[in-house]
Amino acid sequence: DGGITQSPKYLFRKEGQNVTLSCEQNLNHDAMYWYRQDPGQGLRLIYYSQIVNDFQKGDIAEGYSVSREKKESFPLTVTSAQKNPTAFYLCASTQGSYNSPLHFGNGTRLTVT
Amino acid sequence: DQQVKQNSPSLSVQEGRISILNCDYTNSMFDYFLWYKKYPAEGPTFLISISSIKDKNEDGRFTVFLNKSAKHLSLHIVPSQPGDSAVYFCAASASNAGNMLTFGGGTRLMVKP
Repeated sequence: DGGITQSPKYLFRKEGQNVTLSCEQNLNHDAMYWYRQDPGQGLRLIYYSQIVNDFQKGDIAEGYSVSREKKESFPLTVTSAQKNPTAFYLCASTQGSYNSPLHFGNGTRLTVT
Repeated sequence: DQQVKQNSPSLSVQEGRISILNCDYTNSMFDYFLWYKKYPAEGPTFLISISSIKDKNEDGRFTVFLNKSAKHLSLHIVPSQPGDSAVYFCAASASNAGNMLTFGGGTRLMVKP
């Protein structure tokens, strides 16, 4: 079955530590995205990548970094510079053609204490 | 400034009745609109979409209506079923902004048996 795999499902970290969230897709999609969900605020775009070795900042990129070395993988690093890192993080992908719907992974809930 | 707003954070409906979820937007450049459904601890799944050249799109029990002059769209679910209980997000994109989606804050629908 094709899909997007995010791991781990739950992640706990101490304040001041960097943490990397994994996102892998086997849908052969060109474009990949990272969103953050906070209660009542919907989904906000952190970073996106439309092709390998290229990525762009979204609306709330500060304190985050990404890489896109392979088409299938788009890991997100939450750095210690992110002031409110505790959230539900969602990875998504799409074929990249206009109006093709996003396919989402099941998310990673990150808790930083 | 939220460009896509879902003003009702929650909605409760009796099984078998109609559920109407509303969404307002401010950006007149938006020309494609989508609804996503999300269960707890899972990623959103695509439900239905509508292009700005249409004012209605129907798929089974789900119908989306678009009123461009009012910058308003709504999702109708008829008849509502307990399995429809979830958070519903509306999202919008503009053809001059690639496939970037702007999401609303979500509405939690509860369908009572």
